[in-house]
Amino acid sequence: NAGVTQTPKFQVLKTGQSMTLQCAQDMNHNSMYWYRQDPGMGLRLIYYSASEGTTDKGEVPNGYNVSRLNKREFSLRLESAAPSQTSVYFCASTTPRGGGQYNSPLHFGNGTRLTVT
Amino acid sequence: AQKITQTQPGMFVQEKEAVTLDCTYDTSDPSYGLFWYKQPSSGEMIFLIYQGSYDQQNATEGRYSLNFQKARKSANLVISASQLGDSAMYFCAMREGRAGNNRKLIWGLGTSLAVNP
Repeated sequence: NAGVTQTPKFQVLKTGQSMTLQCAQDMNHNSMYWYRQDPGMGLRLIYYSASEGTTDKGEVPNGYNVSRLNKREFSLRLESAAPSQTSVYFCASTTPRGGGQYNSPLHFGNGTRLTVT
Repeated sequence: AQKITQTQPGMFVQEKEAVTLDCTYDTSDPSYGLFWYKQPSSGEMIFLIYQGSYDQQNATEGRYSLNFQKARKSANLVISASQLGDSAMYFCAMREGRAGNNRKLIWGLGTSLAVNP
């Protein structure tokens, strides 16, 4: 089972360059998320998509855009990369299990390590 | 206000011994779920165990168990018979059940566990 697949695994950008991080899940999950992880700051939510066709801002959306292309795919775009966006980026997905909307774990991709110089 | 607190930045344990990783949380929602994730040095986020606020019994998954004390708002992870492969960062997270939550997880900052041979 592939689960959640993120590409690329590593990327180095120069300040001002743009790039798109790709994420796809094959678990038929409704909700997808983009997080960034920085030392000492834990995981911070950038954007999420509760269901196909919807996207919403998380805690740290500035400098990013997202596209929920279909139910499987959720991409994150950096239009003009800045050194402050050097981080590890995780995509995750979930869907409610029986009994409520709060009991389903997130399934994560393996992360993208991005360095902006 | 921090909703998830992990007070132990780093912990050491001898191989084959048990270890408890602390997590306290803050919510006024009667419906919520608590999750623990493991992040080894390779970087992936691995779901370990889930506890729901209405669950009558403490959750267990193999060597992992949750010491859930609802009145104290704590959900400590207990790892029995520690193995060298348990060395990793461990994150506690919570999802509240209130409408409009959109399944967002609230994360602690993590505890780094080192298992000594």
